Amino acid sequence: GENVEQHPSTLSVQEGDSAVIKCTYSDSASNYFPWYKQELGKRPQLIIDIRSNVGEKKDQRIAVTLNKTAKHFSLHITETQPEDSAVYFCAASSTNAGKSTFGDGTTLTVKP
Amino acid sequence: DAGVIQSPRHEVTEMGQEVTLRCKPISGHDYLFWYRQTMMRGLELLIYFNNNVPIDDSGMPEDRFSAKMPNASFSTLKIQPSEPRDSAVYFCASSSTPGADYGYTFGSGTRLTVV
Repeated sequence: GENVEQHPSTLSVQEGDSAVIKCTYSDSASNYFPWYKQELGKRPQLIIDIRSNVGEKKDQRIAVTLNKTAKHFSLHITETQPEDSAVYFCAASSTNAGKSTFGDGTTLTVKP
Repeated sequence: DAGVIQSPRHEVTEMGQEVTLRCKPISGHDYLFWYRQTMMRGLELLIYFNNNVPIDDSGMPEDRFSAKMPNASFSTLKIQPSEPRDSAVYFCASSSTPGADYGYTFGSGTRLTVV
């Protein structure tokens, strides 16, 4: 089955700096890669996703990149703000799998 | 749409009691997932359904756990008998066909405490 590894497990940055979270996956059939943000005490929420036919996608201060050859994808947050502090999960899935495999999460802390 | 609705939000029960968690997925979503989240083990997939049929229950910890989806708008996760180590936040999530290709919408979760 699919295996997703996520790094780092914790990340601390100063407000205004950039943050990068990286994930690798094992199943070459995976073609959909969502990212979720979970604030303390809240539910995980989908913030951005990318499909295998796209190399990069941006939405305001967040962007995702995908390297299918190397089987890795990354989340980039620019101009970080304290409200970006949360746990971020990457995931990978294929149309045939019916489910997403999640990484273990990255706890991002943005210091004011 | 009201999103994925879970009840109760909080449950405190004594060891040995039966606990039933409830979930109403988003209308039109064909997949429903039950997750458990703890600090130690992170986010664990317990079971998921497609068109009300259980597809993979390999994450269910043991026979004390059972899940049903009698129709497209309702699912339950039951623990009987409950134990302190079952204390966790249980999330239900749903997604649309085909499978997980469009991301999950999670419910608010049920925080279960077994004393």
